Amino acid sequence: RKEVEQDPGPFNVPEGATVAFNCTYSNSASQSFFWYRQDCRKEPKLLMSVYSSGNEDGRFTAQLNRASQYISLLIRDSKLSDSATYLCVVNMRGSARQLTFGSGTQLTVLP
Amino acid sequence: NAGVTQTPKFRILKIGQSMTLQCTQDMNHNYMYWYRQDPGMGLKLIYYSVGAGITDKGEVPNGYNVSRSTTEDFPLRLELAAPSQTSVYFCASSPSLSGTALGYGYTFGSGTRLTVV
Repeated sequence: RKEVEQDPGPFNVPEGATVAFNCTYSNSASQSFFWYRQDCRKEPKLLMSVYSSGNEDGRFTAQLNRASQYISLLIRDSKLSDSATYLCVVNMRGSARQLTFGSGTQLTVLP
Repeated sequence: NAGVTQTPKFRILKIGQSMTLQCTQDMNHNYMYWYRQDPGMGLKLIYYSVGAGITDKGEVPNGYNVSRSTTEDFPLRLELAAPSQTSVYFCASSPSLSGTALGYGYTFGSGTRLTVV
């Protein structure tokens, strides 16, 4: 089992749609969780951290379910500019090397 | 601020050649990392450093070497390049570990696309 698993997609959605991505992680000791965005042939960039109580940043909402060991990202009112690959990233507290990246979920927002 | 700067952006190597991928950050971050990303795959950690003079192996260190003589620089050395090292290489940095735990993410360089033929 992969340490961090994501549905690779691709997700093709029309502009204005709501889309959700899920991610599961295998290490129950994991403490920090992030969503990164990676545009085609570019470097990953931090989209948002994921906190236990859930958090929102504009059209983006991240949720964490520790009991089930999964993380979700919800994008509302999708824009063309949201087209990218979304990486789920998990970090185990106290260990610099334990930043594990999922393979990413590809999103294409269609006009 | 430039953030994390990687050079070169592209390189083609012949099997058996060597090269150094350069990485510099100007954010005074203690932690620096080298990752490789193969098509359709997640990033794999090659080496990391928690400060000047301290380096450690990541998940896929074979065929690579690193050094960290200053806080700013973290070069990655490929010796005897092989086709399996064809990949995109990303350097990243982060503040202290406590910053990471608090939710500060990593800052990545723009990557080096390496092809070994």
